[in-house]
Amino acid sequence: ETGVTQTPRHLVMGMTNKKSLKCEQHLGHNAMYWYKQSAKKPLELMFVYNFKEQTENNSVPSRFSPECPNSSHLFLHLHTLQPEDSALYLCASSQDGPGELFFGEGSRLTVL
Amino acid sequence: RKEVEQDPGPFNVPEGATVAFNCTYSNSASQSFFWYRQDCRKEPKLLMSVYSSGNEDGRFTAQLNRASQYISLLIRDSKLSDSATYLCVFTGFQKLVFGTGTRLLVSP
Repeated sequence: ETGVTQTPRHLVMGMTNKKSLKCEQHLGHNAMYWYKQSAKKPLELMFVYNFKEQTENNSVPSRFSPECPNSSHLFLHLHTLQPEDSALYLCASSQDGPGELFFGEGSRLTVL
Repeated sequence: RKEVEQDPGPFNVPEGATVAFNCTYSNSASQSFFWYRQDCRKEPKLLMSVYSSGNEDGRFTAQLNRASQYISLLIRDSKLSDSATYLCVFTGFQKLVFGTGTRLLVSP
């Protein structure tokens, strides 16, 4: 069983829908991340949380809204997305900063 | 100049071959370097860290050249299971910066 689990694995939504991605880590790490991976582009860091506090917001549009209720759970709330937001969204966790990241399997999002 | 540059490949090699990838980075202040592996439609996983003195893990050897600002990954005796995308990663401004990856295809 992976240490970082993401749900749903696949999501199709219209531009007016509201949905959420969920991530849970079972590794006891103190930092969690959201990354976006699009075809032929490098992973893009979106948000970082350390000890539940957001420490990085990498100029992400407000239609993406993160939530970190505790150090084991991370959400990404989605609303009024655009087709270009279709991508693989990866959650990751680490202990004590950006060293080794442990990724979840990702949520593949398609915006119609 | 891009923060990190990798040849996207694909590198097509036969089983048993030796193959090497390079990755250049622009931030001379970078302190930590890594190679991650990503299988098709899977998440990235840490393959190995890259140390200043170079390091080896079985068939894999990683090296860092700070003067020329690149890291390399050498794979000896390639296996079919080595087919994947290899991502070069380094720390920049207190966060990890990922390359686009180099795709390796090992054929029988």
